[in-house]
Parts: sequence; C-alpha cells; structure tokens
Amino acid sequence: DAGVIQSPRHEVTEMGQEVTLRCKPISGHDYLFWYRQTMMRGLELLIYFNNNVPIDDSGMPEDRFSAKMPNASFSTLKIQPSEPRDSAVYFCASSLRGLAGLVIGELFFGEGSRLTVL
Amino acid sequence: QQPVQSPQAVILREGEDAVINCSSSKALYSVHWYRQKHGEAPVFLMILLKGGEQKGHDKISASFNEKKQQSSLYLTASQLSYSGTYFCGTEKAGGTSYGKLTFGQGTILTVHP
Repeated sequence: DAGVIQSPRHEVTEMGQEVTLRCKPISGHDYLFWYRQTMMRGLELLIYFNNNVPIDDSGMPEDRFSAKMPNASFSTLKIQPSEPRDSAVYFCASSLRGLAGLVIGELFFGEGSRLTVL
Repeated sequence: QQPVQSPQAVILREGEDAVINCSSSKALYSVHWYRQKHGEAPVFLMILLKGGEQKGHDKISASFNEKKQQSSLYLTASQLSYSGTYFCGTEKAGGTSYGKLTFGQGTILTVHP
C-alpha cells in the first residue's frame, strides 16, 4: 500500500490567499485525522472523521478553517483567508477501527504539508 | 484536553535507560505512543488499553495505570536510533467523541555515542 498521501508537500503563500491541503488515506481505513504541528503548540488535533462523517471539529481554530471528506478516499483542509500564524506542518493520518476493544488502532501519518504564509 | 508529558527533554549516552511519563486529568480509555524523527512524520510504537497492561516493542516497553490516568514509556539500553521526539496520545473514556486522539507536547530524547 502507498500509505497516506498528502499534497502539496510544501506551500508558500501570501497572507489573504486561500490554501487547500489534500489527503488520500490508506484504502479501507475508516478514520481520518487532521493535525497541525508547530513548535509552540505541538501536535494539535484539528478535526477527525469516521466513515466520512466529521466527529469532532472542536480543534479547528476559527471559521477560516474548513475540512471536508466527500468520499472514503479523499479529504481536504482549506484555509481562507490564510494568515502568517497559520504557518505550520499539517499532517493527515488514517486508522482502522481498533481490534480487541480499541476504538481506533495505529495511526498512519502522511509526510505532512509544510505551509508558510508570508 | 491535552495530556502532560515529562520530562520535556532527556539526554542519554548509548546504553542508558530512560522513562517518559504521560498523565491526564481525565479518565482514559487508551494511550498511544509515537516517535517522530526530525523532519519526518510520527511513527507508531504501541497502544495500551485500560487495564494496567504493559507492552513491549524491542527494548521499549510501556505501562498504563488507568486509576492514575498515567502511562510511562520505558527505554532500556538506549541506542542512537532511539533519538527523536516521543509523543503520547490519549483517548478519553466516555463521551461522544469516540476515537478522539489528543497528543501531549512531546519529549525530546537525544542519545549520544
């Protein structure tokens, strides 16, 4: 399997521009997570989906952020308008429902999208 | 709510042992441990389910005390390859946000020859 695929790997944009990050989870996985990583805040959970349905989006910073999962093989995270404080590495991760009583199993992370907003 | 990890950083010589702790103020259902090398994505180490179990992965093991809402990661006879940032992820017991995995701030482990 190809693993979780994220694009773009690097994005440099100017303040006020729209940014769209994309993620293709591992086939058959039913959970998809979006995390943001910065030195100050560490790995923050933004939103996660189960069977394409958003379960918890309480980590989304503000209305400028939105995420969709139109089908089991694709998700997007959109920032509009972008601001310099949005600069971070954004990780997508997918997981299968856990075995032996676990809700979720191992998270498989993509390589991340490094966003720089000037 | 984000779990709290301690210490924030550890420096070791090859062959030394280390313990990384993870604690939560909420009742936990499971604890995950991941390691991240610089410039790479986090990689899974192990999951512990409530019940106080202990698991092992090579010379890395962990325990989970659900009564104290704490987990510890034990690294024995450390190798250079153990260097990286270790994250615990916790899944809260109960509530409607099943499967919600929240990570601690991370512990930076550096192993020197």
